[in-house]
Amino acid sequence: KQEVTQIPAALSVPEGENLVLNCSFTDSAIYNLQWFRQDPGKGLTSLLLIQSSQREQTSGRLNASLDKSSGRSTLYIAASQPGDSATYLCAPVGPNRDDKIIFGKGTRLHILP
Amino acid sequence: KAGVTQTPRYLIKTRGQQVTLSCSPISGHRSVSWYQQTPGQGLQFLFEYFSETQRNKGNFPGRFSGRQFSNSRSEMNVSTLELGDSALYLCASSLHLAVLVEQFFGPGTRLTVL
Repeated sequence: KQEVTQIPAALSVPEGENLVLNCSFTDSAIYNLQWFRQDPGKGLTSLLLIQSSQREQTSGRLNASLDKSSGRSTLYIAASQPGDSATYLCAPVGPNRDDKIIFGKGTRLHILP
Repeated sequence: KAGVTQTPRYLIKTRGQQVTLSCSPISGHRSVSWYQQTPGQGLQFLFEYFSETQRNKGNFPGRFSGRQFSNSRSEMNVSTLELGDSALYLCASSLHLAVLVEQFFGPGTRLTVL
């Protein structure tokens, strides 16, 4: 059964800093991995989707990497801004069509102005 | 293109009642997944519907059920509500099965059971 851990659970950093959020998973036989952000009381917004054959994926100031063999993914946020404050969740998926999508509990990020 | 919509956004019920939540996926998306989110358990998968068929189910009691219509809209029903069912219920849609492609989430329905 897939287990997903996100460390740290919460993080506060000053505006402008670069930061890394970590996601580890126990079953490395995944099909892809998706990163989301969630603002308080709202739904999830998809940030990046990395296929198992990829090592990284970039979107603007965000870069997600995937190391399947070690069961790890990182989300790198460059030049953080107060608008980046949210909870970030990762979800490794697969490899089978019948597999359920398991989410980590997230990292609650607070960017200090 | 309109995003995923969920109705109602907020709901207050009492124990023993039943509730039906609705989800309209992005146009063209054939899969709808439902999740329950609570502070203690986080985000947990309830079930996924694809082309009107339930394709996958999480570890929830039979009080939780769902269905999908021919236009891909989906409803989720919870019968005999318990206090522990208070949660944010999220639905997500995707072009194909959720394990294969990117998912897009709606804003959620906040259910409070008194």
